[in-house]
Parts: sequence; structure tokens; C-alpha cells
Amino acid sequence: GDSVTQMEGPVTLSEEAFLTINCTYTATGYPSLFWYVQYPGEGLQLLLKATKADDKGSNKGFEATYRKETTSFHLEKGSVQVSDSAVYFCALQPWGGANSKLTFGKGITLSVRP
Amino acid sequence: NAGVTQTPKFQVLKTGQSMTLQCAQDMNHNSMYWYRQDPGMGLRLIYYSASEGTTDKGEVPNGYNVSRLNKREFSLRLESAAPSQTSVYFCASSLGASAFFGQGTRLTVV
Repeated sequence: GDSVTQMEGPVTLSEEAFLTINCTYTATGYPSLFWYVQYPGEGLQLLLKATKADDKGSNKGFEATYRKETTSFHLEKGSVQVSDSAVYFCALQPWGGANSKLTFGKGITLSVRP
Repeated sequence: NAGVTQTPKFQVLKTGQSMTLQCAQDMNHNSMYWYRQDPGMGLRLIYYSASEGTTDKGEVPNGYNVSRLNKREFSLRLESAAPSQTSVYFCASSLGASAFFGQGTRLTVV
């Protein structure tokens, strides 16, 4: 079945540091890929997405590129802020399944120190 | 815009009690979901509804039932609560790619 694997956490960085959070997936065909963010005490919010190979999703300074050859969708940000402290989830939606269920990774907690 | 609304936000139950978690969305989405979030486990899908009148089991359906009452509403019922069901529950809806989540229900079973 489909699955998403995220790097182990938590991650603690200083403000303005570079961020990479790894995500790899297992799925048939060309799934859609997502990063969701959960701020303390809130539900998940869509951060960015990519729906086909080589697409780059971007939002709020975060970027992720859909790499079919390595089945990866790593999240990056050049300079993190304290306000980026949150839990980040990688997710996929099956190929051709516009109404199909999302599969999530376990999530990783990011803490950014001033 | 209300988006996805869950009620209640907090609940404490005794073992063996029953309750229903309510979820409603105002975005005319076809698909709705119930997830539970536990430390170190990420989000696990409990039940899923692709459209009004259809429901499917997810990864962890045991101990739960659902009702897709209409296109807007998708409720989750615990018939006999157990301490293992202590968790944060999230409802979500989607139309095509991208899901929208409610604020969550923090449930404690004692």
C-alpha cells in the first residue's frame, strides 16, 4: 500500500538557519504530494503541494520539489524564524484519485530558537 | 469562512460511555475524513467518506462507527469508550487535491 516516511525528529534550529526535512514515499504511478503544518493547539494547514514530477511547490519561503526518480519530496527553507516552530507532515494522495484518502507521515516537530 | 467545524473541542469520558463527535464543512466538498493523532504515531485514518452515502474503513477503525448524514456532515461515534481511545481527533474534508482540517477534539477516556 501507499506510505510516507519522514525523517526522525525532533529538530531544533537557531533562527536564520537552513532547514531541510526529508520525506520519501511509496506509491504506484504519480501521486500528488503535500506538506502540511500544524501550529500548537491548531489543526493542520496545507503548506504547499506538487501534483506531478519535477513540480516545485512553494509558500511562505518553504519549497519542495517532486522527485520521481528518488520518490522524494523534501521540505526546505533558507532562513527559519521562531514563528516556523510547528509540526510538519508530509502526505500523498494516490494517482488519479481526486477524491481519494490522504496518507500522512508521522510528522516532525521543529523548534526554532531566537 | 467557517471551513470545517468540529464539536466539542474537549471531552472527558468514563470507560464504557458513548459519545458522538460532530463535524460539518461548508465548502461543498465530496470527501470527508476522521483521523486520530497520537504522540509518535502521526495521523492515522479512522474512517473515510468519498461522497454522501458512502463510508470506508481506514487504518484504525475498531471501536468506532461513522455516519455521513449528508454532504456537509460526517460524525464519528464511540459506542463504548476505552482508555486506548484517548487522543486528539481531527475531521477533514477535500475536493480534489488539498484537505482542510478542523481544529480538533481532545478526548480523554478515564
